[in-house]
Amino acid sequence: EPEVTQTPSHQVTQMGQEVILRCVPISNHLYFYWYRQILGQKVEFLVSFYNNEISEKSEIFDDQFSVERPDGSNFTLKIRSTKLEDSAMYFCASSVRGTTEAFFGQGTRLTVV
Amino acid sequence: AQKVTQAQTEISVVEKEDVTLDCVYETRDTTYYLFWYKQPPSGELVFLIRRNSFDEQNEISGRYSWNFQKSTSSFNFTITASQVVDSAVYFCALRVYGGSQGNLIFGKGTKLSVKP
Repeated sequence: EPEVTQTPSHQVTQMGQEVILRCVPISNHLYFYWYRQILGQKVEFLVSFYNNEISEKSEIFDDQFSVERPDGSNFTLKIRSTKLEDSAMYFCASSVRGTTEAFFGQGTRLTVV
Repeated sequence: AQKVTQAQTEISVVEKEDVTLDCVYETRDTTYYLFWYKQPPSGELVFLIRRNSFDEQNEISGRYSWNFQKSTSSFNFTITASQVVDSAVYFCALRVYGGSQGNLIFGKGTKLSVKP
């Protein structure tokens, strides 16, 4: 069964460092997303991506964040200068259309120290 | 503004009990989609069901059933004869149609513990 895969599963980084979280969406899906979940809290939308551009982003997704689809399969989230409050589980998701269900990867737990 | 409220923070039941997880949503849009996701202790988010605003038919899938009522803006989820493997956090989510690809708005989740 096709699934969204994320790497790494856990990343520890020092404050101020850049991190890149990687995702391989399901192959026939056209819409890609990043969400995050701070420990014990609800899942929050960061950004959606369609047709090689950002289609929507939340207030959380400030200039420190960027997304890229560098090739036909990968979808990445970059945080330029990490802060302690960026520590969270980051989920990548994809969907066939903008209105259909999104399938989530297993998440990358980012710990900023 | 859109919002999803899951008033039950934690529920604890004994195996084989039935349990209902409540979800109340707010939106002014007439076209929208509702979802339930399960987050087991391993942390991934597992899709369970999608419902669109035009379809108020209730749905049953094995031990799971969903009751969608537009009149009360609710989309409740019932697990019949609960099992220990049902222990997880369950999230209700809303997606509004229109303009750009709408994002999923999640509730805060209900943590279900099923004890043997």
